[in-house]
Amino acid sequence: KNQVEQSPQSLIILEGKNCTLQCNYTVSPFSNLRWYKQDTGRGPVSLTIMTFSENTKSNGRYTATLDADTKQSSLHITASQLSDSASYICVVSPMFSGGYNKLIFGAGTRLAVHP
Amino acid sequence: ETGVTQSPTHLIKTRGQQVTLRCSSQSGHNTVSWYQQALGQGPQFIFQYYREEENGRGNFPPRFSGLQFPNYSSELNVNALELDDSALYLCASSLNQGAGGYTFGSGTRLTVV
Repeated sequence: KNQVEQSPQSLIILEGKNCTLQCNYTVSPFSNLRWYKQDTGRGPVSLTIMTFSENTKSNGRYTATLDADTKQSSLHITASQLSDSASYICVVSPMFSGGYNKLIFGAGTRLAVHP
Repeated sequence: ETGVTQSPTHLIKTRGQQVTLRCSSQSGHNTVSWYQQALGQGPQFIFQYYREEENGRGNFPPRFSGLQFPNYSSELNVNALELDDSALYLCASSLNQGAGGYTFGSGTRLTVV
């Protein structure tokens, strides 16, 4: 079983609409949780990073939330644009990983924004 | 400030061959991590180099090996290629093993036929 599970696997929305992507994780304890945007064939680009003690972080139209008790995070995208079409990946860093900063990636949610 | 550069961008190899992928880290970064990303999946950690030494490794066989050079650029070598090695290989650089975040390159798309 993956330590970071994302849902939905894929999502289609109309331009201008809002959407929320989910991330459930079992990694514990963890030091931080990140959301990345990955365009097709490109490397991931960081959107937000939250430590275990934070419960929300915004970056423009992107807002990430974190509930460490239920081990859930969400990424909310407001007023979607065609350029938001990409995969969104949830990444968790364990608190203790043997001397290096390990990243555990979810499989991502593929978002398509249609005009 | 330059970002992370990976080369080549695309590569086709035959099963059993060997391949070397290259990564130039972002200026000022001393840590490089390599990831394998199969189609439709999240990246899987291969290994990390910090100041020219491997200091972390994921669940990959020994035929995956690497190097980090004094200028902190890095190579990923894969011997005896298998069809399942076909993937996007991502390099990420950081300062002091992730302090301040990671910068990813655009990746090398490897196809093994």
